[in-house]
Amino acid sequence: GQQVMQIPQYQHVQEGEDFTTYCNSSTTLSNIQWYKQRPGGHPVFLIQLVKSGEVKKQKRLTFQFGEAKKNSSLHITATQTTDVGTYFCAGWVGDGGSQGNLIFGKGTKLSVKP
Amino acid sequence: DGGITQSPKYLFRKEGQNVTLSCEQNLNHDAMYWYRQDPGQGLRLIYYSQIVNDFQKGDIAEGYSVSREKKESFPLTVTSAQKNPTAFYLCASSIFIWQAYGYTFGSGTRLTVV
Repeated sequence: GQQVMQIPQYQHVQEGEDFTTYCNSSTTLSNIQWYKQRPGGHPVFLIQLVKSGEVKKQKRLTFQFGEAKKNSSLHITATQTTDVGTYFCAGWVGDGGSQGNLIFGKGTKLSVKP
Repeated sequence: DGGITQSPKYLFRKEGQNVTLSCEQNLNHDAMYWYRQDPGQGLRLIYYSQIVNDFQKGDIAEGYSVSREKKESFPLTVTSAQKNPTAFYLCASSIFIWQAYGYTFGSGTRLTVV
């Protein structure tokens, strides 16, 4: 079936280092969403990208949507301990209307060493 | 404050027993969803509902049942037919079905078979 692959599965960084997680789909996505789940918590919606080549920033977080709308990335500059958690991408595969499916990647678990 | 309330936070089920997980939202969202999360896995869709008195099976509906008698409520029953029910269950809602809007998640219910 349709899948959204997310890599890496785990990432351990020293506080202050940068972090990037990548999502790839075999099919074109109508849009892609990113969520953050803190340890023991629930996913929280961060952002949605819709346009080909779109780039959005939230403070130290930069989100990109590929030109072909098949891949996306989340980059965190100068990680802090508050960035710890699992980051999920979720791609919408559909016709742009109400039919389709939102497919979650398996997530990248980020740990930050102070 | 608007949000999604899931209860209970922790639930223990005996073999052969049915249990019901509660999900209530006061966001006035039309669409509601149930996801299952296992360690190292992404979110897998169990059931979803676009409007009252209507719901559809997701990717892993076997052994589960739902109802949507009120817009605010979308309870999930884990039946004895579900062979491996131990997991973290997440309820979510969105303004309309699927895409274009981020999901709001509840805080989840951790179900354990004893």
